[in-house]
Amino acid sequence: AQSVTQLDSQVPVFEEAPVELRCNYSSSVSVYLFWYVQYPNQGLQLLLKYLSGSTLVESINGFEAEFNKSQTSFHLRKPSVHISDTAEYFCAVSEGVGGAQKLVFGQGTRLTINP
Amino acid sequence: GAVVSQHPSRVICKSGTSVKIECRSLDFQATTMFWYRQFPKQSLMLMATSNEGSKATYEQGVEKDKFLINHASLTLSTLTVTSAHPEDSSFYICSALWRASGRVLSYNEQFFGPGTRLTVL
Repeated sequence: AQSVTQLDSQVPVFEEAPVELRCNYSSSVSVYLFWYVQYPNQGLQLLLKYLSGSTLVESINGFEAEFNKSQTSFHLRKPSVHISDTAEYFCAVSEGVGGAQKLVFGQGTRLTINP
Repeated sequence: GAVVSQHPSRVICKSGTSVKIECRSLDFQATTMFWYRQFPKQSLMLMATSNEGSKATYEQGVEKDKFLINHASLTLSTLTVTSAHPEDSSFYICSALWRASGRVLSYNEQFFGPGTRLTVL
């Protein structure tokens, strides 16, 4: 069985400061990894994903995440945050090639940007 | 991009009544849809996998007679909460699996609906 742990339930940072949201997973099979963002009272939007290839993946709005197989981590980073980045962020995992498409989500991290 | 809608966005009902929530893929066909439940300030928990033309597959601990799922067409799945009680109050989110036509992919992206907030009085 797969599981995802997001170590921080809340992360407050100042605007233009860097941020890292931590995510660790456990799985006995190869996995795909995802970060989703959820704004208040809305569904989830895919931020970025790792399927294969380069371990560093980037989103169009400046976020990046690095897949570290030895540490079973997929931490999300942004060098300079904006007020608009305030949201709930979920890390998720699904089975890799040939596996089921079901997503297992972490507990979520609430990112709050202070001016 | 692929769009998934849910209706209604918010519903309030009395205890003992049934509520139907619709999930539609607007610009693609989805043979597989998923239903999730999210409690306040918590993560999403997968309830069931909905497959067009066949019975849904429920996750362990989810009552299939309580949460009825019907995937009658390639663009519509419905979740009916039967005999709703206050503990069923939650945010229900669906997703639809997008498969590129004519291609076999190892990865198929899920597109999420905006969610339905159910409040049972």
